[in-house]
Amino acid sequence: DADVTQTPRNRITKTGKRIMLECSQTKGHDRMYWYRQDPGLGLQLIYYSFDVKDINKGEISDGYSVSRQAQAKFSLSLESAIPNQTALYFCATSDRTGNEQFFGPGTRLTVL
Amino acid sequence: KNQVEQSPQSLIILEGKNCTLQCNYTVSPFSNLRWYKQDTGRGPVSLTIMTFSENTKSNGRYTATLDADTKQSSLHITASQLSDSASYICVVSEFTDKLIFGTGTRLQVFP
Repeated sequence: DADVTQTPRNRITKTGKRIMLECSQTKGHDRMYWYRQDPGLGLQLIYYSFDVKDINKGEISDGYSVSRQAQAKFSLSLESAIPNQTALYFCATSDRTGNEQFFGPGTRLTVL
Repeated sequence: KNQVEQSPQSLIILEGKNCTLQCNYTVSPFSNLRWYKQDTGRGPVSLTIMTFSENTKSNGRYTATLDADTKQSSLHITASQLSDSASYICVVSEFTDKLIFGTGTRLQVFP
């Protein structure tokens, strides 16, 4: 079984809809991250969490929110989706050293 | 602004040939430099991680080099295989643990 899983893998939605992307990990890591990837751009950090009670904004947090329900679960929400949020979204985890991040398989989100 | 630039943007080589991908960065100071491989439609997978004091690190047919003085890194792939077709991403970590991602080099290996 994969160590970092994301659901759904693909999602098409309409402008204005609320969307939740979920991430689960079995690596036992404290740190979890959400990134988005756009064609021709490097991955950009949306939010990160160093433990269950810790939530931090990344470089592009506007329009997004997150919830760390447990050590193993970190969800990303788009309260009111807009077309420029169409992208590939990745969840990642790392241990407390942060030396290496392990990425999930990604969620391809299309907002029409 | 801290940046990571990679070249070339894309590269096509024949199976069995060697190739070298370049990464230049302006992040300073930095904690470590990483190379990731990202297959199409998949998440990035770590190939190597080097601290500022390391000059070279290998992982099978992949060898990464780092020159902290010139702020350059390279990833050399030896005897390329079809499965090496992927994007290769250079990532530099600031001391704050913030990661700065390059835009990647897309490598295609043809038989």
